[in-house]
Amino acid sequence: QKEVEQNSGPLSVPEGAIASLNCTYSDRGSQSFFWYRQYSGKSPELIMFIYSNGDKEDGRFTAQLNKASQYVSLLIRDSQPSDSATYLCAVNEMDSGNTPLVFGKGTRLSVIA
Amino acid sequence: NAGVTQTPKFQVLKTGQSMTLQCAQDMNHNSMYWYRQDPGMGLRLIYYSASEGTTDKGEVPNGYNVSRLNKREFSLRLESAAPSQTSVYFCASRESSPYGYTFGSGTRLTVV
Repeated sequence: QKEVEQNSGPLSVPEGAIASLNCTYSDRGSQSFFWYRQYSGKSPELIMFIYSNGDKEDGRFTAQLNKASQYVSLLIRDSQPSDSATYLCAVNEMDSGNTPLVFGKGTRLSVIA
Repeated sequence: NAGVTQTPKFQVLKTGQSMTLQCAQDMNHNSMYWYRQDPGMGLRLIYYSASEGTTDKGEVPNGYNVSRLNKREFSLRLESAAPSQTSVYFCASRESSPYGYTFGSGTRLTVV
């Protein structure tokens, strides 16, 4: 059973701080990794994806991947109250024809003004 | 706007009633997925269609059926609704690996 684990939170950070969200996965063969943001009552929206070891930056967001440790993280710099949401980590196994992503249960982030 | 369209957005059913949730995408994506989301349970896969003409069971298929009508449309049917099927249902589509999903806005279903 492939598993993706996230701390459910809530993770509370002050406005302007760095929020660090973590995710571990069980399938060592996983190839690509995704971070989704979901506001309450809304559908998930893709923030970033990463498939190479190391860091990938997009604006205030940085995804970090360590395949040896089976660990992926999302850093949010200069956190804003509008970043308050649930963040879902999702993992794709080796490319085998559009097999479904496996999602974690999400971490709830609260940015305090 | 282009994307994934789900209908209806809200529905209340009585136990034993049937209904079909509709999903259509206009991005020419190959694969489509149905998930349900319940508090504390995360997103759980019901069924998926890796390509037109194929469907496969996910983690929680019991009580549901699907039809991949064409490349654009993927419907989810509840033949005899039960209170345990009260949930938020999301449809998603994807071009191919390694790209991510695009989600529809969801259907909030209550079975009484």
